[in-house]
Amino acid sequence: DAGVTQSPTHLIKTRGQQVTLRCSPISGHKSVSWYQQVLGQGPQFIFQYYEKEERGRGNFPDRFSARQFPNYSSELNVNALLLGDSALYLCASSLGLDLRQGAFFGQGTRLTVV
Amino acid sequence: QKEVEQNSGPLSVPEGAIASLNCTYSDRGSQSFFWYRQYSGKSPELIMSIYSNGDKEDGRFTAQLNKASQYVSLLIRDSQPSDSATYLCAASGSARQLTFGSGTQLTVLP
Repeated sequence: DAGVTQSPTHLIKTRGQQVTLRCSPISGHKSVSWYQQVLGQGPQFIFQYYEKEERGRGNFPDRFSARQFPNYSSELNVNALLLGDSALYLCASSLGLDLRQGAFFGQGTRLTVV
Repeated sequence: QKEVEQNSGPLSVPEGAIASLNCTYSDRGSQSFFWYRQYSGKSPELIMSIYSNGDKEDGRFTAQLNKASQYVSLLIRDSQPSDSATYLCAASGSARQLTFGSGTQLTVLP
């Protein structure tokens, strides 16, 4: 069985541009969460989606948005990129809202804003 | 601010020794706790989860939870050089999101 897949793996964008990151969860998992990890820190929660609805949002500006599709895949969009948006963006897949059975990360998308 | 704190390290142990990693959390509503291992340049990998007070063992790993003290720990027995990584502690509560510590870098010396 495939794990969590994210695309692209690496991305270089210019300040002010927009970016879309994609995630496919583990088969059978209905919840997808997005996290941002900057160097030297733990991941920070951005969004959680379950059954195509936003179920949680972290302390990130409105430039960040996301959605989940009927097949449970998800996209994270970031508009008007800033240098500070450079980070590893992680998608986590879980069976449902309850994380007791674990949340499993994809390989991440390394975004560099220049 | 709901926080998870980890001893920042870095922590070095000789091969074959026990590595002890510690974590405290501030949100008493936290119900589930996780340890992730992250190799340099890679994504976090779930290695242990614990929900009840006490110990939980899985192979060379033992997670310990004390809700009264708001304390979680991870013991790695017979440490191997391949265990060298950053270990992230995470908590989840009613918000159903993971709150991570900043990680502890572990180096196992051959």
